[in-house]
Amino acid sequence: DAKTTQPNSMESNEEEPVHLPCNHSTISGTDYIHWYRQLPSQGPEYVIHGLTSNVNNRMASLAIAEDRKSSTLILHRATLRDAAVYYCILRDKVYGQFYFGTGTSLTVIP
Amino acid sequence: EAQVTQNPRYLITVTGKKLTVTCSQNMNHEYMSWYRQDPGLGLRQIYYSMNVEVTDKGDVPEGYKVSRKEKRNFPLILESPSPNQTSLYFCASSLSRGDNTEAFFGQGTRLTVV
Repeated sequence: DAKTTQPNSMESNEEEPVHLPCNHSTISGTDYIHWYRQLPSQGPEYVIHGLTSNVNNRMASLAIAEDRKSSTLILHRATLRDAAVYYCILRDKVYGQFYFGTGTSLTVIP
Repeated sequence: EAQVTQNPRYLITVTGKKLTVTCSQNMNHEYMSWYRQDPGLGLRQIYYSMNVEVTDKGDVPEGYKVSRKEKRNFPLILESPSPNQTSLYFCASSLSRGDNTEAFFGQGTRLTVV
């Protein structure tokens, strides 16, 4: 059962920032929020994850709402290679299962 | 290079002919799992394994078997494939089942059952 809600699709101009939203209103206190992306014809690829505080890595930033019921993946400068389906996921801490929804398909316009 | 390797990448088979899709990881990960991806349904977990000789069903296990005799390998077995098992399959591994670990996915196996 998908535990997250994301828009089906978004567009961004190349070299502009992109904010991909995710709602996870049923999140429990110990659930980590994971983001993966899937490029065409490839397996999902890890982007970032976090628990409560905002997180940054070389690929993106993750902003987590204070009540943890929503989060936003931020790509600081979108490139054509960032065109992909982005999945926001709460990983099951007991069985380790990733519950994938249908994700957000990001189109980057040159 | 850390990776999850699946073979074959593409497979066309006939109904009822047993097949195995192999999955191997080189990161000494404890946790491995199989997913299938279908249009409009996203990725759904078939089976998972928390360690050697420990496997359990995911959300859609019917028609599939797995084994985990060694830590690095987690093959997916279709004893009698049917057309509704036509799908894109992904193997994944992570250090543990814990929610603070990154998962690595294979490149996928596109299976067609006719």
